[in-house]
Amino acid sequence: EPEVTQTPSHQVTQMGQEVILRCVPISNHLYFYWYRQILGQKVEFLVSFYNNEISEKSEIFDDQFSVERPDGSNFTLKIRSTKLEDSAMYFCASSEGGNTEAFFGQGTRLTVV
Amino acid sequence: DQQVKQNSPSLSVQEGRISILNCDYTNSMFDYFLWYKKYPAEGPTFLISISSIKDKNEDGRFTVFLNKSAKHLSLHIVPSQPGDSAVYFCAASPQDSGYALNFGKGTSLLVTP
Repeated sequence: EPEVTQTPSHQVTQMGQEVILRCVPISNHLYFYWYRQILGQKVEFLVSFYNNEISEKSEIFDDQFSVERPDGSNFTLKIRSTKLEDSAMYFCASSEGGNTEAFFGQGTRLTVV
Repeated sequence: DQQVKQNSPSLSVQEGRISILNCDYTNSMFDYFLWYKKYPAEGPTFLISISSIKDKNEDGRFTVFLNKSAKHLSLHIVPSQPGDSAVYFCAASPQDSGYALNFGKGTSLLVTP
């Protein structure tokens, strides 16, 4: 069964460093998303991406964040200068259409020290 | 701003009985609703969805009911099985938002033998 894959599963980084989280969405999906879940809190929307551009972003997704689809298969989330409060589980998701179910990856646990 | 609320953080049900998980929302622009199941250290797994033009959708043991006037939806699992034990998230999206999902905080379901 097709699935969304994310790498790495766990990333530890020093405060102020740049990190890139990688995702391979399901191949025939057109919509891509990043969400995060801080420990003990709800899953929060960060950004949606369609047709090679951001279609929506939340207040969390400030200038420190960026997304890219560098080729036909990868979808990346970059955090330019990580802060302690960026520590969270980051989930990539993709969906075939707009109002259809999104399928999530297993997540990348980001720990900023 | 909690637009999707799951007021019961936990629920315990005996195997074979019905589990009812509830969700309320405040945004009248939401028109697509989903339930996800999540195990620790894994991404959310899509269970079932419903659009605002319906009031019920059924898939095997899972049924979702939508009451638009009350801004309430519920997930019924019958019969409940021990493998259903997980955290269940309600999510909703407005059609014109880039399909960003707003998640509730989740309800932890425990199905006991």
